[in-house]
Amino acid sequence: NAGVTQTPKFQVLKTGQSMTLQCAQDMNHEYMSWYRQDPGMGLRLIHYSVGAGITDQGEVPNGYNVSRSTTEDFPLRLLSAAPSQTSVYFCASSYAERVPYYGYTFGSGTRLTVV
Amino acid sequence: DAKTTQPPSMDCAEGRAANLPCNHSTISGNEYVYWYRQIHSQGPQYIIHGLKNNETNEMASLIITEDRKSSTLILPHATLRDTAVYYCIVRDINTGTASKLTFGTGTRLQVTL
Repeated sequence: NAGVTQTPKFQVLKTGQSMTLQCAQDMNHEYMSWYRQDPGMGLRLIHYSVGAGITDQGEVPNGYNVSRSTTEDFPLRLLSAAPSQTSVYFCASSYAERVPYYGYTFGSGTRLTVV
Repeated sequence: DAKTTQPPSMDCAEGRAANLPCNHSTISGNEYVYWYRQIHSQGPQYIIHGLKNNETNEMASLIITEDRKSSTLILPHATLRDTAVYYCIVRDINTGTASKLTFGTGTRLQVTL
């Protein structure tokens, strides 16, 4: 299915554990990004990438690492999970960052709970 | 990027037009207006965008005032499946902030029978 695929859909971690949230798109999009959404709040940008090998920080990058080795994949790593990272995580992609004629395609989200 | 102001909630009867307003009084000339919606904790869905002309697609119409300080998203025949949170976002694609979509708290639209 064309689109943005996020795995897993649900995850429970213990404080201090590490894990990687996976994001893959098959639309040949250059731009990919990670957002988190806390209850009752809008989405906040964590990290983004404008192409393979290029990443940058967003609004709330602390505690998260990313890399972009291929156009298709943009994994988000939590090195040492904390309860404050309990959230819903969304991956989004777009054909190009600065072209105005394309909207972003979002994945269905990963619901992460850190206990 | 310019900030946006939206009413927190609205109701609409099924089959009627839903008109969702957005105020962006500090918008600059390079900033586009985008609309997204989020249905029950799913990922946000792109609806439409515009710069200064009115726009229409298969999902909705976007009306931007002549001074560009406000806009209205119109769902011409709302259905129960249109119940969602609608986000109005202003984005300058010509600066470094182009990477960031700033989501506020949006308008929660409830479509009723």
